[in-house]
Amino acid sequence: KQEVTQIPAALSVPEGENLVLNCSFTDSAIYNLQWFRQDPGKGLTSLLLIQSSQREQTSGRLNASLDKSSGRSTLYIAASQPGDSATYLCAVTGSGGSNYKLTFGKGTLLTVNP
Amino acid sequence: SQTIHQWPATLVQPVGSPLSLECTVEGTSNPNLYWYRQAAGRGLQLLFYSVGIGQISSEVPQNLSASRPQDRQFILSSKKLLLSDSGFYLCAWGGIKNEQFFGPGTRLTVL
Repeated sequence: KQEVTQIPAALSVPEGENLVLNCSFTDSAIYNLQWFRQDPGKGLTSLLLIQSSQREQTSGRLNASLDKSSGRSTLYIAASQPGDSATYLCAVTGSGGSNYKLTFGKGTLLTVNP
Repeated sequence: SQTIHQWPATLVQPVGSPLSLECTVEGTSNPNLYWYRQAAGRGLQLLFYSVGIGQISSEVPQNLSASRPQDRQFILSSKKLLLSDSGFYLCAWGGIKNEQFFGPGTRLTVL
């Protein structure tokens, strides 16, 4: 059974810092990995999708990497801003017959202080 | 572009009452559709998914059911709500790369 772990559970940084959020998964046979952002009381916003054959994806100040063999992904946020404050969720899609199913971590609550 | 709608946004229901939550998707055809629940202090849990009209798969035995009467409509129902059904319900649709896109959610409180 796939398990996804996100470390740290919470992170507080001053504005302008670069930061890294970590995600690990137990079964390396994944189809893809997604990073999401969730604001309080809201739905999930997809940030980045990394296919299993890719090593990284970039969107603006965000960069996500994937090391499938070691079961790890990182989300790098450059020059953090107070508007980046949210919960960040990592999720993996299984391969083969499970490629419809996302398994989520519990998220990292990020607070960026002005 | 694709858009996903959910309603109602919030709902307070007594124990034992019925439930109907609706999700609709615009701008895509024959999407995979998903219902998730997010309970306080827990991760997102997949409840149901559908690959087409009338095709529903349940991931977790529970007090809930799902239906897909139209290509882009997904409904979550219950005949009698339990306290444990409280939570944040999210609908999602799947893109061609199996990327999932989520709706705004429905906050359900069962009293």
